[in-house]
Amino acid sequence: DQQVKQNSPSLSVQEGRISILNCDYTNSMFDYFLWYKKYPAEGPTFLISISSIKDKNEDGRFTVFLNKSAKHLSLHIVPSQPGDSAVYFCAASAGGNKLVFGAGTILRVKS
Amino acid sequence: EPEVTQTPSHQVTQMGQEVILRCVPISNHLYFYWYRQILGQKVEFLVSFYNNEISEKSEIFDDQFSVERPDGSNFTLKIRSTKLEDSAMYFCASSSGLDEQFFGPGTRLTVL
Repeated sequence: DQQVKQNSPSLSVQEGRISILNCDYTNSMFDYFLWYKKYPAEGPTFLISISSIKDKNEDGRFTVFLNKSAKHLSLHIVPSQPGDSAVYFCAASAGGNKLVFGAGTILRVKS
Repeated sequence: EPEVTQTPSHQVTQMGQEVILRCVPISNHLYFYWYRQILGQKVEFLVSFYNNEISEKSEIFDDQFSVERPDGSNFTLKIRSTKLEDSAMYFCASSSGLDEQFFGPGTRLTVL
């Protein structure tokens, strides 16, 4: 099931700089997109979401951009902090409540 | 801040045994879910539950699996006869509507 893809397994960023995590999807029926952060031995923690009727949503240091024509979304973290180091999952749903997850991207923020 | 809790944190069982994984969703939430993550793989949807019945289930959720909300606070996942391939992290989640889902810390199930 490759409906949601995170093609970068890992990303390393200097503290204070911008982190950009990317996600692509194939199912045009997806209408709601979410980003979760996960630490080892913990459950996914909700970060931010966006509906398909929008192209941007911002919450503090986190901004999600949605490009429906490209079936692409991205999460920007500015400025990046060492505590942001975790696995980031993109997820999507299609009018219902089942979430389809990407494989995750490991973010390392170096101090 | 309200959170989803799960017990036990780690369950070890023999193949063929029944296990029950327990979850306490956030108290005013109406939708409940189970997901699992096999080591090295994606988080996968198992089942969603609303208004005391299953609203959606995946192909993984076969007759060996069942869910129940036995009282006003608990939400359980039962695996009747565990297989080696059921070894995974099992996450419970809840939501107030068809929007953000909040996840518990997970139960690590090890089937020997």
